[in-house]
Amino acid sequence: KQEVTQIPAALSVPEGENLVLNCSFTDSAIYNLQWFRQDPGKGLTSLLLIQSSQREQTSGRLNASLDKSSGRSTLYIAASQPGDSATYLCAVEAAGNKLTFGGGTRVLVKP
Amino acid sequence: SQTIHQWPATLVQPVGSPLSLECTVEGTSNPNLYWYRQAAGRGLQLLFYSVGIGQISSEVPQNLSASRPQDRQFILSSKKLLLSDSGFYLCAWNKGAGRADTQYFGPGTRLTVL
Repeated sequence: KQEVTQIPAALSVPEGENLVLNCSFTDSAIYNLQWFRQDPGKGLTSLLLIQSSQREQTSGRLNASLDKSSGRSTLYIAASQPGDSATYLCAVEAAGNKLTFGGGTRVLVKP
Repeated sequence: SQTIHQWPATLVQPVGSPLSLECTVEGTSNPNLYWYRQAAGRGLQLLFYSVGIGQISSEVPQNLSASRPQDRQFILSSKKLLLSDSGFYLCAWNKGAGRADTQYFGPGTRLTVL
């Protein structure tokens, strides 16, 4: 059974610092890994999707890497801003279009 | 463009009462549809998914059921709510088109069972 873990559970940084969020998964037989953002009381917004054959994806200040063999992904957010404060969730997709989510990392960027 | 709606946004129900949450998707056809629950302090748990009208797969045994009466409508129901049914319910869709197919989430319904 696939298990997804995100460490740390919470993170607080001053504005301008780079953020590094970690995600690990137990079964490397995945189709893709996805990173989402969730604001309090809201739904999830897709940030990046990395296919199993890819090593990384970039979107603006966001960069996500994938090391499938070791079961790890890292989300980097450069030059953090207070608006980046949210919970970040990673999820892996295996057969059947089903996602398994980690518990999330709650990020606070202090102005 | 595609949009996904959920209602109601919030709901407070007594234990033992029935439940009906609705999710609709616009701007696409034959989507895969998903119901998730996010309990306080816990991650998202997949409850049901559907690849077509009348086709429902349940991921965990529970007090809830799902139905898909129309292509872009997904309903989550219960005949008698339990306290443990409280949580944040999220509906999602994707095209089911392959390995680069992200899921798009609705705004969610906050359910409190008292």
